[in-house]
Amino acid sequence: DVKVTQSSRYLVKRTGEKVFLECVQDMDHENMFWYRQDPGLGLRLIYFSYDVKMKEKGDIPEGYSVSREKKERFSLILESASTNQTSMYLCASMQPTAYNQPQHFGDGTRLSIL
Amino acid sequence: AQSVTQLGSHVSVSEGALVLLRCNYSSSVPPYLFWYVQYPNQGLQLLLKYTTGATLVKGINGFEAEFKKSETSFHLTKPSAHMSDAAEYFCAVSESGGSYIPTFGRGTSLIVHP
Repeated sequence: DVKVTQSSRYLVKRTGEKVFLECVQDMDHENMFWYRQDPGLGLRLIYFSYDVKMKEKGDIPEGYSVSREKKERFSLILESASTNQTSMYLCASMQPTAYNQPQHFGDGTRLSIL
Repeated sequence: AQSVTQLGSHVSVSEGALVLLRCNYSSSVPPYLFWYVQYPNQGLQLLLKYTTGATLVKGINGFEAEFKKSETSFHLTKPSAHMSDAAEYFCAVSESGGSYIPTFGRGTSLIVHP
């Protein structure tokens, strides 16, 4: 079974802080994703990566950046946290360019910015 | 471009009653379709998927879905709801030959009354 592990389940940070959310997968998947989940809005794609050091913007990249230095690890960075970034963040991984394969999700990080 | 519409942000049923969660998609090419379930404070996990072949797909926990091309639908059903089915359900579509990144619906919260 694929396992996607997010380093924190709950996180509380202050406005203006630099915040790191970490995600690790154990199945050698090339593709990794960061989503934000808000009530009534479903999942919105922030960034994704299809290889080490490669990244692509998703639908809502503003205020975020990512890092992929190793294949198994994909980090989401909030450069200067703001209260409107309070949300649930979900990481996912997927087999390379396999349209008919599902994504595998971590349990999420519930982030509160005070 | 692909899109997904889930009718009803909340669906309420009694325990033992039929569960029907609606999903309609838009795709210019043959789609791959997925249903995911999210239990409270957890990530998404795959319930079932349609790729090719049999249009009636069976998944975990007694759920099934039928791909109807003429109606561009992929509704999720379960004959008899259990209290443990209370969760958020997401429909997703990806396109063969297109972007491998799936598009998610906004989700439907299933409420099960005793």
